[in-house]
Amino acid sequence: RKEVEQDPGPFNVPEGATVAFNCTYSNSASQSFFWYRQDCRKEPKLLMSVYSSGNEDGRFTAQLNRASQYISLLIRDSKLSDSATYLCVVNIPKSGGGADGLTFGKGTHLIIQP
Amino acid sequence: DAGVIQSPRHEVTEMGQEVTLRCKPISGHNSLFWYRQTMMRGLELLIYFNNNVPIDDSGMPEDRFSAKMPNASFSTLKIQPSEPRDSAVYFCASSLGPLGGYTFGSGTRLTVV
Repeated sequence: RKEVEQDPGPFNVPEGATVAFNCTYSNSASQSFFWYRQDCRKEPKLLMSVYSSGNEDGRFTAQLNRASQYISLLIRDSKLSDSATYLCVVNIPKSGGGADGLTFGKGTHLIIQP
Repeated sequence: DAGVIQSPRHEVTEMGQEVTLRCKPISGHNSLFWYRQTMMRGLELLIYFNNNVPIDDSGMPEDRFSAKMPNASFSTLKIQPSEPRDSAVYFCASSLGPLGGYTFGSGTRLTVV
């Protein structure tokens, strides 16, 4: 199983619709979760952190399911400007107790159509 | 704040040449990361530093790659000798600790011909 796995898409969604995608992670000891957004030929930018209780930021809602080891991102009332690649990010603790950084999924490509 | 600053933005070089990529992290951030992004492999962590000390370089592909952080405001990633398969976008990112939200630089698009 890949450490962080996402459906690459593309997801083609009409403007105004609601879209959701998931990301699965392999290590049950992971503690930190994020969603990043990356526009074409740009750097990734932090969209939101994902907390155990779930969190919302405007039209965006992120949730964590520890039992099934996945996080989700829901976008309501989608806008043309939401078209981007959404990267799932998880810390993968290293065996042996070494310091760990963040592992990025390959991303889900979202296209909002007028 | 100017954010994470990388240079150069673009680099085209011939196989066998030495390439040096530069990064200035956000002031006050004590963790710095070098990532490489390709279509096939996505974003791969090459190395990261905490308080200027290399913590994990297990992602560095081979001995041709080396990274240094001589002080809190500067880091370099060097490839010597470069090969066509090194062509990718190289990102530098910094954060307050290794598990905080990362701020990325604009990246260096490297092409080795």
